Amino acid sequence: EVQLVETGGGLIQPGKSLRLSCAVSGFIVSNNYMTWVRQTPGKGLEWVSVIYSNANTYYADSVKGRFTISRDSAKSTVYLHMNSLRVDDTAVYYCARANKVAAPWGHLDYWGPGTLVIVSS
Amino acid sequence: SHDLTQPLSVSVALGQTARISCEGYDIGDKHVHWYQQRPGQGPLVVIYRDSNRPSAIPARFSGSHSGDTASLTITGAQAGDEADYYCQVWNITTAIFGGGTKLTVL
Repeated sequence: EVQLVETGGGLIQPGKSLRLSCAVSGFIVSNNYMTWVRQTPGKGLEWVSVIYSNANTYYADSVKGRFTISRDSAKSTVYLHMNSLRVDDTAVYYCARANKVAAPWGHLDYWGPGTLVIVSS
Repeated sequence: SHDLTQPLSVSVALGQTARISCEGYDIGDKHVHWYQQRPGQGPLVVIYRDSNRPSAIPARFSGSHSGDTASLTITGAQAGDEADYYCQVWNITTAIFGGGTKLTVL
């Protein structure tokens, strides 16, 4: 059974750093395209980042230079390292897998329940 | 730009047909995916690659795509279909979501 579970969220001050983790089961992280998507409370979905199976990474302009996506295949975990956090980074962060058919442009077929990050002084 | 435009809200009477549009410049050559998000839950794909339906999604959900407009249709809407719906495309290396449509079933 495929499962994704995000952890690491919480209350953090502006300018600080935080690392989110996405533990997966039921598939091999390094063989898949993994994404992070965020949602400000009461607002829409915003794509944040993707890591390809070949380890290429891409970011939304709003986080480029501040966030880094990575993975640890041995731990079946994908990470989102967030630096220089801003108030407008406050959101629920979801980890999701992009389906490999039509990769890298596949639909996001499995999602975690999300982890809430609140950036506030 | 590949912004995706959706209506903010759509209302449908119970058992009737709801249609949600997704418009975007130059998305004609891209696959459109649709996600449902019920209150307090994470997103769930209901249509992928324009018109394909996951096996767990009821047959009343369908999708179409012509030129710069994609549509999600719910034929015979049920109370449980009340949710937010988002369209999404990939623009080479980045994903783009529409602003979302709140579907109300009356």
